[in-house]
Amino acid sequence: DAGITQSPRHKVTETGTPVTLRCHQTENHRYMYWYRQDPGHGLRLIHYSYGVKDTDKGEVSDGYSVSRSKTEDFLLTLESATSSQTSVYFCAISVDRTNTGELFFGEGSRLTVL
Amino acid sequence: GQNIDQPTEMTATEGAIVQINCTYQTSGFNGLFWYQQHAGEAPTFLSYNVLDGLEEKGRFSSFLSRSKGYSYLLLKELQMKDSASYLCAGPFGNRDDKIIFGKGTRLHILP
Repeated sequence: DAGITQSPRHKVTETGTPVTLRCHQTENHRYMYWYRQDPGHGLRLIHYSYGVKDTDKGEVSDGYSVSRSKTEDFLLTLESATSSQTSVYFCAISVDRTNTGELFFGEGSRLTVL
Repeated sequence: GQNIDQPTEMTATEGAIVQINCTYQTSGFNGLFWYQQHAGEAPTFLSYNVLDGLEEKGRFSSFLSRSKGYSYLLLKELQMKDSASYLCAGPFGNRDDKIIFGKGTRLHILP
């Protein structure tokens, strides 16, 4: 267990409302990632962070913003949720200093936008 | 490029061997990863290849050919619990830290 938790685990919201998902880790890992997973598309990278206040875009970053003001928390915000953002969102941390691709995933957050 | 391709679905029989292929564009490549994901669960790390050749880990082995942009995951002595999706992924970007996944291969095991 790499000490990673996501919240909320489930959320139903309406189109146009803001939503923030939180990823929290307890082991001071440098890299943190946000992915979404949809049938037929697999896991797609939204944004990731390589340190406090250091973030970069992934494959599907439009409509999402992130913030990392401290090592343990990586927040994903949907400023104005749309139905196309209904998905399962996974946070992941890189647990190997020399091999960033060995990721440990949180349990996922299921978001439904009505 | 960041294209990673793998078959959508495969079916195999309990006790048999199955090979799941993954191809990728070789530009900017630095290692390839395999993950397993059971339905309704998060992905879990299986293996990492950075050099050419076969890496064996129990019933699972992973192979890489960097010149051909090709990898495969080999599962031996298949068990029903191996029914899952298998995802290959690679590191891209200037820092090799942008971890991009293929769409995954759903493996069905028949008794």
